[in-house]
Amino acid sequence: QVQLQESGPGLVKPSETLSLTCTVSGYSISSGYYWGWIRQPPGKGLEWIGSIYHSGSTYYNPSLKSRVTISVDTSKNQFSLKLSSVTAADTAVYYCARDSPDNYYDSQGIDPWGQGTLVTVSS
Amino acid sequence: SYELTQPPSVSVSPGQTARITCSADALPKQYAYWYQQKPGQAPVLVIYKDSERPSGIPERFSGSSSGTTVTLTISGVQAEDEADYYCQSADSSGTYPRVFGGGTKLTVL
Repeated sequence: QVQLQESGPGLVKPSETLSLTCTVSGYSISSGYYWGWIRQPPGKGLEWIGSIYHSGSTYYNPSLKSRVTISVDTSKNQFSLKLSSVTAADTAVYYCARDSPDNYYDSQGIDPWGQGTLVTVSS
Repeated sequence: SYELTQPPSVSVSPGQTARITCSADALPKQYAYWYQQKPGQAPVLVIYKDSERPSGIPERFSGSSSGTTVTLTISGVQAEDEADYYCQSADSSGTYPRVFGGGTKLTVL
């Protein structure tokens, strides 16, 4: 079955760039689907960050778009998140997940999700 | 921005029926999805496209839609259903293709 695993630094300094990678197993990213990032500040709700297709086509949350870059590396079956100019408000558990099949607007739901990784922004 | 509105909390006794609502202007035109999140775990999809149930999700979970409100219904609630539940949808313009509600804490008394 499809499994996703987030990896990256757990601590990032304010004003720096947060970088995370999601490794997918059990499915080839090149076969289809959009792949996304979602975050959850401690004790708060979920916030969608953005999604990417294997071709590189992306959709971003307008409220984060100016600071977010999502990329894909099909040779490694991975996709990545970069969030620039971070502040304490970006402290959250970051999840990667499988998003829509080939038509982004014909969603079957976001499923499955990785286990999540906590990123703390602090000096 | 675009918002989905959920009640912060719902409480039911075991065996009863829990109903969790989610309201937003575009819901007559956009599908809704529901996720269950237990403490320390990643969310799990329990309903997609308003009322479809993924394989492996118990039949006691169902979804419905009426106008600007969608409802997740859990029939015969069990203690293991205690969790946070989030609805997810999109706005009508495509500007916000993925939006989550604020979440509802379901407490099984």
